[in-house]
Amino acid sequence: NAGVIQTPRHKVTGKGQEATLWCEPISGHSAVFWYRQTIVQGLEFLTYFRNQAPIDDSGMPKERFSAQMPNQSHSTLKIQSTQPQDSAVYLCASSLEGGADAEQFFGPGTRLTVL
Amino acid sequence: TQTVSQSDAHVTVFEGDSVELRCNYSYGGSIYLSWYIQHHGHGLQFLLKYYSGNPVVQGVNGFEAEFSKSDSSFHLRKASVHWSDSAVYFCAVSKNSNNRIFFGDGTQLVVKP
Repeated sequence: NAGVIQTPRHKVTGKGQEATLWCEPISGHSAVFWYRQTIVQGLEFLTYFRNQAPIDDSGMPKERFSAQMPNQSHSTLKIQSTQPQDSAVYLCASSLEGGADAEQFFGPGTRLTVL
Repeated sequence: TQTVSQSDAHVTVFEGDSVELRCNYSYGGSIYLSWYIQHHGHGLQFLLKYYSGNPVVQGVNGFEAEFSKSDSSFHLRKASVHWSDSAVYFCAVSKNSNNRIFFGDGTQLVVKP
């Protein structure tokens, strides 16, 4: 079991460029979560999928951010026209089921730096 | 306002010492309380959780946490820490009605040899 895989581990973009972050959940897990971690804001929930369907995206910034889960083996977080304030570690997690009691398994994160 | 509060940003102890990392919450309704650990450069790892029953829950690596409804607390403890316990510890709350996890700001634990 390789755990949750996130690629790339590090990404540097210029202001205004697009960034796509990838997450491969643990095989058999039906729920995928995205979080953003910064020193200032801490850990923030972004969005959540269950069985590939978007369930809750209330934490996603309304502009420039989008997330998809085209199949059960991967999810993407896309940030258009990146800004310096988007610099953060983006964490993906998966759980066997989507219930509130389900343990979430986290990937190592993608560190995004926007210059 | 629903919050998870970890009052200590940094805790430093010596190897073999006991440690308690504090967590207080303010949420209504049915909730799940959990602790996660994050080593530098890594994602979060689950330690333990509480929903109901025995207020003292055991986790991995000798960690335990005690739920107190009267104090709205869920403090994490370990009787004898090891240098490898140095990490950031996050207290978290999730509501039974949805799947979002709300994390505290984290407590950085430094264990000196």
